[in-house]
Amino acid sequence: AAGVIQSPRHLIKEKRETATLKCYPIPRHDTVYWYQQGPGQDPQFLISFYEKMQSDKGSIPDRFSAQQFSDYHSELNMSSLELGDSALYFCASSLKRGTRGYTFGSGTRLTVV
Amino acid sequence: ELKVEQNPLFLSMQEGKNYTIYCNYSTTSDRLYWYRQDPGKSLESLFVLLSNGAVKQEGRLMASLDTKARLSTLHITAAVHDLSATYFCAVDKRNNNDMRFGAGTRLTVKP
Repeated sequence: AAGVIQSPRHLIKEKRETATLKCYPIPRHDTVYWYQQGPGQDPQFLISFYEKMQSDKGSIPDRFSAQQFSDYHSELNMSSLELGDSALYFCASSLKRGTRGYTFGSGTRLTVV
Repeated sequence: ELKVEQNPLFLSMQEGKNYTIYCNYSTTSDRLYWYRQDPGKSLESLFVLLSNGAVKQEGRLMASLDTKARLSTLHITAAVHDLSATYFCAVDKRNNNDMRFGAGTRLTVKP
């Protein structure tokens, strides 16, 4: 079965650079979520989209933005990167009215040097 | 604000033993989830609990939900080394797309 696809798997950027992470949700899933997980931390909710519209916003810095496109893939754009942005970034998708858990992608490991 | 507390945060147990991980949450929620995460890996969905009194079992893991107490438990029976991982509980409300996680329980099962 198709899973949530994230790219790239690993990314190394310098401070003040920008980064774009991509997420391809499971087909027919109507909701996409972005989470940030620092080392030894629990995943922190950043932002979600329902049917391509921004749905909820969590602890997403103003330097970050996200959008969902007509083909349902989503991108997380990160600018003016800081050392503290180094983390695992997960995308997940689900059916809003479904009874199954969210399906998470394998994550993108971002390292800011 | 929805808060989720897990305990213990660290758990070291012997193979063959039983133990329970607890998850408390602060406000009414619609769905409670348990996830497993191996180091550096993604989160694997274990259980989704939707109603008061719900109990689900998969192998040596059993999860239950008491919505009145705002408490879920993850019970481990006769632990084996392969269960070593971090276990997260998480909750959300059906009308919100904002799932909140507990801090996680890092389980180590020793031979």
